[in-house]
Amino acid sequence: GENVEQHPSTLSVQEGDSAVIKCTYSDSASNYFPWYKQELGKGPQLIIDIRSNVGEKKDQRIAVTLNKTAKHFSLHITETQPEDSAVYFCAASRYNQGGKLIFGQGTELSVKP
Amino acid sequence: EAGVAQSPRYKIIEKRQSVAFWCNPISGHATLYWYQQILGQGPKLLIQFQNNGVVDDSQLPKDRFSAERLKGVDSTLKIQPAKLEDSAVYLCASSPQTGREKSNEQFFGPGTRLTVL
Repeated sequence: GENVEQHPSTLSVQEGDSAVIKCTYSDSASNYFPWYKQELGKGPQLIIDIRSNVGEKKDQRIAVTLNKTAKHFSLHITETQPEDSAVYFCAASRYNQGGKLIFGQGTELSVKP
Repeated sequence: EAGVAQSPRYKIIEKRQSVAFWCNPISGHATLYWYQQILGQGPKLLIQFQNNGVVDDSQLPKDRFSAERLKGVDSTLKIQPAKLEDSAVYLCASSPQTGREKSNEQFFGPGTRLTVL
Protein backbone atom coordinates (compact mmCIF):
# COMPACT_ATOMS: atom_id res chain seq x y z
CA GLY A 1 0.00 0.00 0.00
CA GLU A 2 0.89 3.67 0.01
CA ASN A 3 3.64 4.50 2.47
CA VAL A 4 5.82 7.46 3.47
CA GLU A 5 9.04 6.91 5.40
CA GLN A 6 10.49 9.85 7.36
CA HIS A 7 13.93 10.25 8.93
CA PRO A 8 15.27 11.02 11.45
CA SER A 9 12.69 10.47 14.18
CA THR A 10 14.47 12.96 16.45
CA LEU A 11 16.83 15.81 15.60
CA SER A 12 18.65 18.13 17.97
CA VAL A 13 20.51 21.21 16.68
CA GLN A 14 22.04 24.35 18.10
CA GLU A 15 20.32 27.65 17.47
CA GLY A 16 21.52 29.08 14.17
CA ASP A 17 22.40 25.70 12.66
CA SER A 18 20.52 24.09 9.78
CA ALA A 19 18.14 21.15 10.06
CA VAL A 20 17.28 18.64 7.33
CA ILE A 21 14.44 16.10 7.39
CA LYS A 22 14.07 13.51 4.65
CA CYS A 23 11.08 11.53 3.34
CA THR A 24 10.61 8.77 0.81
CA TYR A 25 7.25 7.84 -0.71
CA SER A 26 6.09 4.64 -2.38
CA ASP A 27 3.25 5.78 -4.65
CA SER A 28 4.82 6.98 -7.89
CA ALA A 29 1.57 8.75 -8.80
CA SER A 30 1.85 11.13 -5.82
CA ASN A 31 2.05 14.71 -7.00
CA TYR A 32 1.57 16.89 -3.92
CA PHE A 33 3.96 16.97 -0.93
CA PRO A 34 3.14 19.18 2.07
CA TRP A 35 5.09 19.64 5.28
CA TYR A 36 3.31 20.23 8.57
CA LYS A 37 4.54 21.56 11.92
CA GLN A 38 2.77 20.31 15.03
CA GLU A 39 3.27 21.95 18.38
CA LEU A 40 2.25 20.30 21.62
CA GLY A 41 -1.50 20.20 22.05
CA LYS A 42 -2.20 21.67 18.64
CA GLY A 43 -3.21 20.41 15.23
CA PRO A 44 -0.72 20.20 12.35
CA GLN A 45 -0.05 23.49 10.60
CA LEU A 46 0.97 23.64 6.95
CA ILE A 47 4.36 25.35 6.61
CA ILE A 48 5.30 24.68 2.99
CA ASP A 49 4.28 22.41 0.13
CA ILE A 50 5.59 21.41 -3.28
CA ARG A 51 3.96 19.98 -6.37
CA SER A 52 5.50 17.43 -8.71
CA ASN A 53 6.14 19.90 -11.50
CA VAL A 54 8.59 21.80 -9.29
CA GLY A 55 11.99 20.63 -8.01
CA GLU A 56 12.53 23.17 -5.25
CA LYS A 57 10.59 25.78 -3.35
CA LYS A 58 11.76 28.28 -0.76
CA ASP A 59 9.97 30.47 1.77
CA GLN A 60 12.29 32.58 3.92
CA ARG A 61 14.23 30.11 6.14
CA ILE A 62 12.37 27.05 4.91
CA ALA A 63 12.98 25.17 1.67
CA VAL A 64 11.75 21.90 0.23
CA THR A 65 13.35 19.83 -2.53
CA LEU A 66 11.75 17.05 -4.56
CA ASN A 67 13.41 14.26 -6.54
CA LYS A 68 10.61 12.45 -8.38
CA THR A 69 12.90 9.84 -9.90
CA ALA A 70 14.10 8.75 -6.47
CA LYS A 71 10.67 9.38 -4.88
CA HIS A 72 12.38 11.47 -2.26
CA PHE A 73 11.72 14.92 -0.79
CA SER A 74 13.37 16.92 1.97
CA LEU A 75 12.73 19.87 4.27
CA HIS A 76 15.55 22.29 4.98
CA ILE A 77 15.38 24.84 7.80
CA THR A 78 18.22 27.35 7.98
CA GLU A 79 19.20 29.63 10.87
CA THR A 80 17.09 27.59 13.29
CA GLN A 81 15.48 29.32 16.26
CA PRO A 82 14.11 27.88 19.52
CA GLU A 83 10.56 28.50 18.28
CA ASP A 84 11.22 26.04 15.44
CA SER A 85 11.15 23.27 18.06
CA ALA A 86 8.17 21.03 17.25
CA VAL A 87 7.23 17.78 15.50
CA TYR A 88 7.43 17.99 11.71
CA PHE A 89 5.47 15.70 9.39
CA CYS A 90 5.89 15.13 5.69
CA ALA A 91 2.99 13.83 3.61
CA ALA A 92 2.21 12.77 0.07
CA SER A 93 -0.99 12.66 -1.94
CA ARG A 94 -2.54 12.68 -5.40
CA TYR A 95 -4.60 15.82 -5.71
CA ASN A 96 -6.74 14.36 -8.45
CA GLN A 97 -7.97 11.71 -6.03
CA GLY A 98 -9.51 13.89 -3.39
CA GLY A 99 -6.45 14.89 -1.43
CA LYS A 100 -6.02 11.98 0.97
CA LEU A 101 -2.71 12.63 2.76
CA ILE A 102 -0.34 9.81 3.65
CA PHE A 103 1.81 11.04 6.52
CA GLY A 104 5.31 10.11 7.59
CA GLN A 105 6.00 9.12 11.18
CA GLY A 106 7.20 12.56 12.23
CA THR A 107 10.48 14.16 13.31
CA GLU A 108 10.81 15.79 16.70
CA LEU A 109 13.08 18.80 16.21
CA SER A 110 14.72 20.38 19.23
CA VAL A 111 16.60 23.68 18.80
CA LYS A 112 18.84 24.45 21.73
CA PRO A 113 19.60 28.09 22.54
CA GLU B 1 -11.03 33.89 8.99
CA ALA B 2 -11.95 31.41 11.71
CA GLY B 3 -10.14 28.08 11.67
CA VAL B 4 -11.45 24.54 12.03
CA ALA B 5 -13.26 24.16 15.35
CA GLN B 6 -13.44 20.90 17.29
CA SER B 7 -15.04 19.86 20.55
CA PRO B 8 -14.53 18.58 23.10
CA ARG B 9 -10.77 19.10 23.41
CA TYR B 10 -10.37 16.21 25.84
CA LYS B 11 -12.45 13.15 26.69
CA ILE B 12 -11.86 10.28 29.08
CA ILE B 13 -14.14 7.24 28.94
CA GLU B 14 -14.22 3.62 30.02
CA LYS B 15 -13.88 0.88 27.42
CA ARG B 16 -17.17 -0.20 25.87
CA GLN B 17 -18.63 3.28 26.38
CA SER B 18 -19.66 5.55 23.51
CA VAL B 19 -18.21 8.91 22.55
CA ALA B 20 -18.86 11.55 19.91
CA PHE B 21 -16.69 14.30 18.50
CA TRP B 22 -17.83 17.41 16.66
CA CYS B 23 -16.14 19.42 13.91
CA ASN B 24 -17.00 22.72 12.27
CA PRO B 25 -14.85 23.29 9.17
CA ILE B 26 -13.72 26.57 7.71
CA SER B 27 -16.65 28.35 6.09
CA GLY B 28 -17.05 27.42 2.45
CA HIS B 29 -14.76 24.39 2.55
CA ALA B 30 -16.39 21.54 0.66
CA THR B 31 -14.09 18.76 1.81
CA LEU B 32 -13.84 17.51 5.38
CA TYR B 33 -11.49 14.87 6.76
CA TRP B 34 -11.27 12.96 10.02
CA TYR B 35 -7.81 11.66 10.98
CA GLN B 36 -6.72 9.48 13.87
CA GLN B 37 -3.31 10.30 15.38
CA ILE B 38 -1.91 7.71 17.78
CA LEU B 39 0.81 9.01 20.10
CA GLY B 40 4.17 9.15 18.31
CA GLN B 41 2.71 8.57 14.84
CA GLY B 42 1.53 10.62 11.90
CA PRO B 43 -2.19 11.20 11.34
CA LYS B 44 -4.08 8.44 9.51
CA LEU B 45 -7.19 9.18 7.46
CA LEU B 46 -10.41 7.66 8.78
CA ILE B 47 -12.99 9.23 6.49
CA GLN B 48 -13.29 11.97 3.88
CA PHE B 49 -16.45 13.86 2.93
CA GLN B 50 -17.08 15.94 -0.17
CA ASN B 51 -20.01 18.17 0.82
CA ASN B 52 -22.27 15.63 2.59
CA GLY B 53 -21.16 12.56 0.61
CA VAL B 54 -18.47 10.06 1.62
CA VAL B 55 -15.45 9.99 -0.71
CA ASP B 56 -13.22 7.56 1.19
CA ASP B 57 -13.97 5.53 4.31
CA SER B 58 -11.73 2.58 3.52
CA GLN B 59 -9.76 2.99 6.78
CA LEU B 60 -12.77 3.49 9.05
CA PRO B 61 -13.46 0.55 11.40
CA LYS B 62 -17.12 0.45 10.52
CA ASP B 63 -18.07 -2.06 13.20
CA ARG B 64 -17.53 0.64 15.83
CA PHE B 65 -16.90 3.97 14.12
CA SER B 66 -19.45 6.08 12.29
CA ALA B 67 -19.42 9.58 10.90
CA GLU B 68 -21.85 11.94 9.27
CA ARG B 69 -21.80 15.39 7.78
CA LEU B 70 -25.23 16.92 7.91
CA LYS B 71 -26.04 19.56 5.29
CA GLY B 72 -22.44 19.47 4.10
CA VAL B 73 -21.12 21.63 6.95
CA ASP B 74 -20.57 20.30 10.49
CA SER B 75 -19.55 16.72 11.08
CA THR B 76 -19.66 14.25 13.96
CA LEU B 77 -17.52 11.18 14.49
CA LYS B 78 -18.79 8.49 16.86
CA ILE B 79 -17.18 5.48 18.47
CA GLN B 80 -19.46 2.79 19.90
CA PRO B 81 -18.23 0.82 21.78
CA ALA B 82 -14.75 2.19 22.47
CA LYS B 83 -11.69 -0.01 22.88
CA LEU B 84 -8.40 0.71 24.63
CA GLU B 85 -6.62 1.00 21.25
CA ASP B 86 -8.91 3.89 20.28
CA SER B 87 -6.95 6.17 22.60
CA ALA B 88 -5.60 8.83 20.25
CA VAL B 89 -6.05 12.39 19.06
CA TYR B 90 -8.87 12.77 16.53
CA LEU B 91 -8.15 15.54 14.09
CA CYS B 92 -10.59 17.21 11.76
CA ALA B 93 -9.34 19.00 8.65
CA SER B 94 -10.99 20.84 5.79
CA SER B 95 -9.99 22.01 2.34
CA PRO B 96 -11.73 24.15 -0.28
CA GLN B 97 -12.53 21.55 -2.96
CA THR B 98 -11.27 18.45 -4.68
CA GLY B 99 -10.02 17.76 -8.14
CA ARG B 100 -8.12 21.01 -8.48
CA GLU B 101 -4.55 21.95 -7.75
CA LYS B 102 -5.29 24.04 -4.65
CA SER B 103 -7.57 21.44 -3.13
CA ASN B 104 -4.98 19.56 -1.15
CA GLU B 105 -4.20 22.43 1.19
CA GLN B 106 -5.73 20.98 4.31
CA PHE B 107 -6.33 23.04 7.42
CA PHE B 108 -6.42 21.16 10.70
CA GLY B 109 -8.33 21.79 13.89
CA PRO B 110 -6.74 21.45 17.37
CA GLY B 111 -7.99 17.87 17.78
CA THR B 112 -9.80 15.93 20.48
CA ARG B 113 -7.60 13.86 22.76
CA LEU B 114 -9.44 10.64 23.68
CA THR B 115 -8.31 8.41 26.54
CA VAL B 116 -10.02 5.03 26.90
CA LEU B 117 -9.49 3.38 30.29
